[in-house]
Amino acid sequence: DIQMTQSPSTLSASVGDRVTITCRASQSISRWVAWYQQKPGRAPRLLISKASSLESGVPSRFSGSGSGTEFTLTISSLQPDDFATYYCQQHYRLWTFGQGTKVDIK
Amino acid sequence: QVQLVESGGGVVQPGRSLRLSCVASGFSFSIYGMHWVRQAPGKGLEWVAVIWYDGGNKNYSDPVKGRFTISRDNSKNTVYLQMNSLRAEDMAVYYCARGYGDYPPDHWGQGTLVTVSS
Repeated sequence: DIQMTQSPSTLSASVGDRVTITCRASQSISRWVAWYQQKPGRAPRLLISKASSLESGVPSRFSGSGSGTEFTLTISSLQPDDFATYYCQQHYRLWTFGQGTKVDIK
Repeated sequence: QVQLVESGGGVVQPGRSLRLSCVASGFSFSIYGMHWVRQAPGKGLEWVAVIWYDGGNKNYSDPVKGRFTISRDNSKNTVYLQMNSLRAEDMAVYYCARGYGDYPPDHWGQGTLVTVSS
């Protein structure tokens, strides 16, 4: 099974900050990584697929990069609506989520 | 627009069974794979199962393999999750989600809560 390890588990930041979340895969998965945003009591929202492909309607301040085993999600300038939990997911062999990164207010 | 509506959750005793349903609308259901993903209270997301567009291929996560069965009825735009031999650790909100091939699920329902308790 492919394991996904996210870091950090919690991140405290302020509006306007540049935020980076990292996800490491237990084996090479090419670029088969997605990123989701989830707010309390809500279903997850797909932000990025194939490591860097932004989904329709997702603000351009979100970006993804990486390949092989290391991937990052970057929010260039954190907005109030961005305080949420973020998950990576590999879709190279079946689907596995990382444990999540909660972005809260500093 | 794409809509996925889950139902069938509730309170069930350990060892008993429950069947979840998810009705889809707003897209061509028969060309999409369908997933079930769960989230235990206060925990992260856990992928559970997938069924391919024609029902010809199914995959399960290890914790549910042999106990859960995913199925679909394309004439009813509905995907099911039959959950047998339920355990306390199966307690979660269960989401159904749409996927295309190997791509990640892109639209999700609002979830249905399964509580396993005696």
